[in-house]
Amino acid sequence: EAGVTQSPTHLIKTRGQQATLRCSPISGHTSVYWYQQALGLGLQFLLWYDEGEERNRGNFPPRFSGRQFPNYSSELNVNALELEDSALYLCASSLWSLMGTGQFFGPGTRLTVL
Amino acid sequence: DQQVKQNSPSLSVQEGRISILNCDYTNSMFDYFLWYKKYPAEGPTFLISISSIKDKNEDGRFTVFLNKSAKHLSLHIVPSQPGDSAVYFCAASRTAGGYQKVTFGTGTKLQVIP
Repeated sequence: EAGVTQSPTHLIKTRGQQATLRCSPISGHTSVYWYQQALGLGLQFLLWYDEGEERNRGNFPPRFSGRQFPNYSSELNVNALELEDSALYLCASSLWSLMGTGQFFGPGTRLTVL
Repeated sequence: DQQVKQNSPSLSVQEGRISILNCDYTNSMFDYFLWYKKYPAEGPTFLISISSIKDKNEDGRFTVFLNKSAKHLSLHIVPSQPGDSAVYFCAASRTAGGYQKVTFGTGTKLQVIP
């Protein structure tokens, strides 16, 4: 069974540009979560989508947005990139609950903002 | 406000000895705790979890202990193996608004020396 996949692996942008990151969940999973892991920080929760709707978002500005498609894949968009947006962005998927075995993570997209 | 703290950014242990990774939390509403392991260039993978109604959960070489009065949990790995070298994230979840919200710690990098 294929795991969570993310693309691209690496992304280099300049300040002010927009970045689009993509995630395909494990087959059968309806929930997709996005996290940011900046240098020296833990995984910071960004967004949670389930059944095509945004269920919750973390303490990030509105220029971080996303969506979930009917096939449950998801896209994270970061507008007006700033240098501090440079980080590893992780996507995870699960069934409706985070308990038990928790979420299954993808390998991440490394975003570098110059 | 870092609600889940891993105060040791790194830990080195000899192969065959015990590795103890610690995690402290501040929110008494957390009802589930999880440990994830992360290798470089890979996403975190679920390792072991514990419900807040328990004080110990064991899975092979891995045991998680929960001390609710101290708001402290620890992961014990016995015996430690070189393949255990990775970053370990502690996470805590709570039910809010009908869904689980997960908060991650900053991670502890474990190095097991052969």
